[in-house]
Amino acid sequence: EPEVTQTPSHQVTQMGQEVILRCVPISNHLYFYWYRQILGQKVEFLVSFYNNEISEKSEIFDDQFSVERPDGSNFTLKIRSTKLEDSAMYFCASSPTTGVNYGYTFGSGTRLTVV
Amino acid sequence: AQSVSQHNHHVILSEAASLELGCNYSYGGTVNLFWYVQYPGQHLQLLLKYFSGDPLVKGIKGFEAEFIKSKFSFNLRKPSVQWSDTAEYFCAAAGQGGGADGLTFGKGTHLIIQP
Repeated sequence: EPEVTQTPSHQVTQMGQEVILRCVPISNHLYFYWYRQILGQKVEFLVSFYNNEISEKSEIFDDQFSVERPDGSNFTLKIRSTKLEDSAMYFCASSPTTGVNYGYTFGSGTRLTVV
Repeated sequence: AQSVSQHNHHVILSEAASLELGCNYSYGGTVNLFWYVQYPGQHLQLLLKYFSGDPLVKGIKGFEAEFIKSKFSFNLRKPSVQWSDTAEYFCAAAGQGGGADGLTFGKGTHLIIQP
């Protein structure tokens, strides 16, 4: 069964540093998403991406966040200057089309720890 | 504002017990509803989904959920749980017509099945 792959599984970074979280979506999927889950809290939508541009973003996705699909394979989330409150599990997801009718396939997540 | 509430944050059951996890939603317009499961160290997996039609939805691994519109509820059930059902369970909702704005998740229920 096709999978969404995320690397690394765990990343520790110092406050103020830039981090890039990587995702390889399922190859024939067209829509890509990032979600995060702060420990003990709910999974929150960050951003959706289609046709090389952001489709929607939540209020969480401020100027310190950016996404790109640099090579047609990877889908990355960059946090420009990390803060302690960015510590969370970050999930990537992809879907073949928009409309949740088709459901998402989620990756296993990257646990980001900002110290 | 859209929201999803899961009432039980931690549930402990013995094997063969029956399970019901509560989920209530608040959404404007037509809603699509989902239950996801996350086994330890693994990615979010779709258990079942409801879009329209029969309000009793059957999913994988013997799970089912019932959409009760009058109660704004979508409770997850399983008649007889197994030790392998130990996991985190998330209820989620999305508006109909497009998933670009992402899923709204509940906080999750941590289910522990004791042998």
